[in-house]
Amino acid sequence: EDKVVQSPLSLVVHEGDTVTLNCSYEVTNFRSLLWYKQEKKAPTFLFMLTSSGIEKKSGRLSSILDKKELFSILNITATQTGDSAVYLCAVGSGNTGKLIFGQGTTLQVKP
Amino acid sequence: NAGVTQTPKFQVLKTGQSMTLQCAQDMNHEYMSWYRQDPGMGLRLIHYSVGAGITDQGEVPNGYNVSRSTTEDFPLRLLSAAPSQTSVYFCASSYSRGLGNTIYFGEGSWLTVV
Repeated sequence: EDKVVQSPLSLVVHEGDTVTLNCSYEVTNFRSLLWYKQEKKAPTFLFMLTSSGIEKKSGRLSSILDKKELFSILNITATQTGDSAVYLCAVGSGNTGKLIFGQGTTLQVKP
Repeated sequence: NAGVTQTPKFQVLKTGQSMTLQCAQDMNHEYMSWYRQDPGMGLRLIHYSVGAGITDQGEVPNGYNVSRSTTEDFPLRLLSAAPSQTSVYFCASSYSRGLGNTIYFGEGSWLTVV
């Protein structure tokens, strides 16, 4: 059975801290791994990863994929209160466009 | 360009009632899907479609029906609502069959079954 597992499930940090969110997966016909940010509405796309070892970066956020060990990490440096959200990891399977989501990590950044 | 449009945004149903959640996209995407999101569960796939006339079940299809008569529309039907179907529902569409497809989400439909 395909599954995606995120850890930790929740995290509380203070502004300026650096956080690392984890996503491991066991999915047949892996196509891509995606990270989303969700703030009480629809998920917002952050990154799409398809190749191992190539870091994707956007401002203070970065992510990398390890297809041998079947995991990805999402790093957020110099966190801000606006980073507070649920971060979702999803894996695209096969060529049907469907995604398998993890449970999400709830990040709270305190001032 | 409206993207993915879901209606209604909020709905309260009584147990046993039926309703349809509407989803439309104007991006000519082949792939459309419905997810439900419950606290601590992430998003779970209900049904998906790879093109007009083709649908398939996802992870949690029981209690839901779908059809795809046009490329643009992918309605989700609850034939006899149950309290367990209280959830937030997201419709999504994507264009790529190849590596690295990205998905566009609707704004969500908050459904409460009492």
